[in-house]
Amino acid sequence: AQSVTQLDSQVPVFEEAPVELRCNYSSSVSVYLFWYVQYPNQGLQLLLKYLSGSTLVKGINGFEAEFNKSQTSFHLRKPSVHISDTAEYFCAVSDLLEYGNKLVFGAGTILRVKS
Amino acid sequence: DTEVTQTPKHLVMGMTNKKSLKCEQHMGHRAMYWYKQKAKKPPELMFVYSYEKLSINESVPSRFSPECPNSSLLNLHLHALQPEDSALYLCASSQEPAQLFSGNTIYFGEGSWLTVV
Repeated sequence: AQSVTQLDSQVPVFEEAPVELRCNYSSSVSVYLFWYVQYPNQGLQLLLKYLSGSTLVKGINGFEAEFNKSQTSFHLRKPSVHISDTAEYFCAVSDLLEYGNKLVFGAGTILRVKS
Repeated sequence: DTEVTQTPKHLVMGMTNKKSLKCEQHMGHRAMYWYKQKAKKPPELMFVYSYEKLSINESVPSRFSPECPNSSLLNLHLHALQPEDSALYLCASSQEPAQLFSGNTIYFGEGSWLTVV
């Protein structure tokens, strides 16, 4: 079964500073990777996803992620964060089941942006 | 704005009650999902419906009963729940069933907060 590991449970950062949220996935022949954001008391929103092709994936709200097959990583980055980016971020992988696929989420990283 | 709508947003129920959570999407998606999210934990898959048929049940206790009346609606019927079932229940949908393409974007609703007392 596929899995992802988010290496940091919390990341504090000052406003306008760059940030990187780390995610490592279990190795597989092919893998589909996702980053979702969950603002307080809300559902999940897709930031970006990697299916194939260019290893640098650009998403919404200025976020981007780089797929690195040799390091089995899919780290999320933003060059300059805002207070409004404070949220929980989930890395996820699509796992193949007998009758379909499901998203398997990492434990989440809480990004706290301070002024 | 999310296009997956869930009602109610908050529900408090006793252990002997019967209640239902409802979910609706009008994006023409053919797969719908229920996820459960406990506090400070990631979402966990409960059920998947593909073309209105149950395709995945992740060993969920029978006190949770899903129903897909049509391609736009998904219900989760609740009966004899336990306090440990208190959680955020997220409905989601995707254009194609995961069996056809596992790279589909899954769109989530804002969830229903369930408290069992």
